[in-house]
Amino acid sequence: LAKTTQPISMDSYEGQEVNITCSHNNIATNDYITWYQQFPSQGPRFIIQGYKTKVTNEVASLFIPADRKSSTLSLPRVSLSDTAVYYCLVAQQRLAFGKGNQVVVIP
Amino acid sequence: ETGVTQTPRHLVMGMTNKKSLKCEQHLGHNAMYWYKQSAKKPLELMFVYNFKEQTENNSVPSRFSPECPNSSHLFLHLHTLQPEDSALYLCASSQDIGSGGYEQYFGPGTRLTVT
Repeated sequence: LAKTTQPISMDSYEGQEVNITCSHNNIATNDYITWYQQFPSQGPRFIIQGYKTKVTNEVASLFIPADRKSSTLSLPRVSLSDTAVYYCLVAQQRLAFGKGNQVVVIP
Repeated sequence: ETGVTQTPRHLVMGMTNKKSLKCEQHLGHNAMYWYKQSAKKPLELMFVYNFKEQTENNSVPSRFSPECPNSSHLFLHLHTLQPEDSALYLCASSQDIGSGGYEQYFGPGTRLTVT
């Protein structure tokens, strides 16, 4: 069972780029890496998913090195509304969200 | 709107009551999930269903009883709960669980309070 490790929390100023890291040393060959965002008292929301190299969508970018043992979610120019918990997920059959990374955007 | 609805949104029940949570997905997905999220704790996976068949029960107490009559509907039947069962209960769906990567779509959750 692949397990992920993330920093517990981080602060960032509004307008800055935020990079959130995740370690997944035991990732399996056919595992994808998925990131979710969760606001208080709401269900998590899918942000982005990738397998290797770089993936970009209208919300974020995901960078995955060649060994796939870690990944970095990049949020460009964050706003106050990006304050949330961000989860990195690596799973095959069993889904373990972990504690996530509380990101606080400061004015 | 994620395409996953949950009712009720809030529920207060006594320890001797029986109630049910309902989840419905309009995405044509084949897999559905129940999660529990207690205050300031990570999401805990409770049950997984794929094509109406339960594929995972994460050591959940028998006072929680899931039911999946079809791929679009998922229920969680509750009876003789304890105060520590108070939490946000989240339902999710995904296309399937067979591949290594799948997006989950979550409902808004049911805030359950056991008195």
